[in-house]
Amino acid sequence: GNSVTQMEGPVTLSEEAFLTINCTYTATGYPSLFWYVQYPGEGLQLLLKATKADDKGSNKGFEATYRKETTSFHLEKGSVQVSDSAVYFCALLMDSNYQLIWGAGTKLIIKP
Amino acid sequence: DGGITQSPKYLFRKEGQNVTLSCEQNLNHDAMYWYRQDPGQGLRLIYYSQIVNDFQKGDIAEGYSVSREKKESFPLTVTSAQKNPTAFYLCASSMGQRTTDTQYFGPGTRLTVL
Repeated sequence: GNSVTQMEGPVTLSEEAFLTINCTYTATGYPSLFWYVQYPGEGLQLLLKATKADDKGSNKGFEATYRKETTSFHLEKGSVQVSDSAVYFCALLMDSNYQLIWGAGTKLIIKP
Repeated sequence: DGGITQSPKYLFRKEGQNVTLSCEQNLNHDAMYWYRQDPGQGLRLIYYSQIVNDFQKGDIAEGYSVSREKKESFPLTVTSAQKNPTAFYLCASSMGQRTTDTQYFGPGTRLTVL
């Protein structure tokens, strides 16, 4: 079946470090891919998305490229800030069943 | 100022009681969703609705019920049949259910069973 696998956390980095959070997916077809962010005690916010292969989503300095050949959608940021500390979720949406399929989330901790 | 509101933010329930969580959106979205989030885990779909007066079970619908009498509202009732209801509940909505339709989330309700 369709699934999303994220790297396990927590990921702990120093401020201004380079960030990569890995996300790979299994899908029979051509899903749309999403990254959501959840700050402590809050709901989820869409961070970025890509709807077809080779698309790059970007927002707030974060980027992710839809790689069909490696079935990946890794999240990157060149220089993280303390305010980026949150839980990041990768998800896919298939047009066959219209339901978001979620990764388990990766907690990111940025130390000053 | 469009968005999704959920109330209450925190809810406490005694065992054996039913409780209803509110979700309202003013985004004119057709589709609405309820998810459950447990600590350290991803989201699991409880129910979803594509249109008024219609809804479908998600992956973990047992012990829950919903209604969709208005486009703007999609309340979730956690019944006494739900064996482990303590969790964070998130409501979402989207314009439709195409793969390009982003789901937007409310701030969540944290339910604790005493």
